[in-house]
Amino acid sequence: AQSVTQLDSQVPVFEEAPVELRCNYSSSVSVYLFWYVQYPNQGLQLLLKYLSGSTLVESINGFEAEFNKSQTSFHLRKPSVHISDTAEYFCAVGDMDTGRRALTFGSGTRLQVQP
Amino acid sequence: NAGVMQNPRHLVRRRGQEARLRCSPMKGHSHVYWYRQLPEEGLKFMVYLQKENIIDESGMPKERFSAEFPKEGPSILRIQQVVRGDSAAYFCASSPLDRLGGDEQFFGPGTRLTVL
Repeated sequence: AQSVTQLDSQVPVFEEAPVELRCNYSSSVSVYLFWYVQYPNQGLQLLLKYLSGSTLVESINGFEAEFNKSQTSFHLRKPSVHISDTAEYFCAVGDMDTGRRALTFGSGTRLQVQP
Repeated sequence: NAGVMQNPRHLVRRRGQEARLRCSPMKGHSHVYWYRQLPEEGLKFMVYLQKENIIDESGMPKERFSAEFPKEGPSILRIQQVVRGDSAAYFCASSPLDRLGGDEQFFGPGTRLTVL
């Protein structure tokens, strides 16, 4: 069984400040890791993913996440946020070792960027 | 290249009615997933289908819910005799046959079901 914990339900931050959204997971098998972003009343969009190789992955809009196997974490960071980054962010894990293809999601973190 | 299509976007039903939610996967994708998002919660997996086959329904409620993905046409999530607790956003996702993308799933805009 897998589980994903996003400890912070809401993160308020001022524009141009740095931000970190935390994600920890639990799994008995090797995992893929994803961050998805959801804007109000929309579906989920993939922000970035870790499959293998370099533990630091980056998105095109300045977000990055680092896979830490020993701490079973995949925290999302951005050095300087914009108002447009206001959204809900979901961490998810997929099962690398078995045929199971369902993703397990965390409960989400609402990022609120204030001017 | 159209993304995952879902309709209707909003659906209102009275208790006891049936709800039918439709999902057309991205072109070239043969796997479809349904997730439910209750208010203020994350997405919960319901069912995973390939054409004409249910592969994993471990997240489906045992009663009133069913899903299909016929050889032709969209995938359908059907909820019979809806209750207020079924009010949620239902998201469909699709993925290609191979696993090269690490099971990355592409999501539709969702259907927001409201049960009165």
